[in-house]
Amino acid sequence: QKEVEQNSGPLSVPEGAIASLNCTYSDRGSQSFFWYRQYSGKSPELIMFIYSNGDKEDGRFTAQLNKASQYVSLLIRDSQPSDSATYLCAVRGGGSQGNLIFGKGTKLSVKP
Amino acid sequence: ETGVTQTPRHLVMGMTNKKSLKCEQHLGHNAMYWYKQSAKKPLELMFVYSLEERVENNSVPSRFSPECPNSSHLFLHLHTLQPEDSALYLCASSQGLAGPGYQETQYFGPGTRLLVL
Repeated sequence: QKEVEQNSGPLSVPEGAIASLNCTYSDRGSQSFFWYRQYSGKSPELIMFIYSNGDKEDGRFTAQLNKASQYVSLLIRDSQPSDSATYLCAVRGGGSQGNLIFGKGTKLSVKP
Repeated sequence: ETGVTQTPRHLVMGMTNKKSLKCEQHLGHNAMYWYKQSAKKPLELMFVYSLEERVENNSVPSRFSPECPNSSHLFLHLHTLQPEDSALYLCASSQGLAGPGYQETQYFGPGTRLLVL
């Protein structure tokens, strides 16, 4: 069974620090990788997607993908209290269309 | 309105009731999805529609019945639900089913919080 694993946390970081969120996946043929943020009581909102090995930066966020290690991470620089949320990793397996597999999410708490 | 909207936002129903959840997307997308989110579980994909055709049904009990009359609207008809069906039901849409990223990126509605008594 295809799985996406995330540390449930909570991950606590001080304001201004770098938060590092990790995700591993079991399907070696996976092709697309997404990070969503979900505030308590709200729906998931897209942060970014990544396809190729390496880093992809968007503002304070950097996604890192290592397909050989089946690992994708999200770095949040200059963390703010408003970044406190649950971060969901989602993966689309090779050969599947529309079927995203989600991890349980990592709860991040940024302390002022 | 923009984005993906869902109604109702909250629903309480008995096990013998019949109700429907509605989703509408204003993004011009061709694919729509139903997800279930329960506490301490990952988001579970229930149904996928592409151009009004169902393309995925992840072993969902028959008490959940989807309907997609056009590419902008998606319904989830509920009947004789169980208390364990209480969850947040999320609708999402995407331009297509597969890459590149902007095409298959799924955008979520606000969800319907369902409580089955």
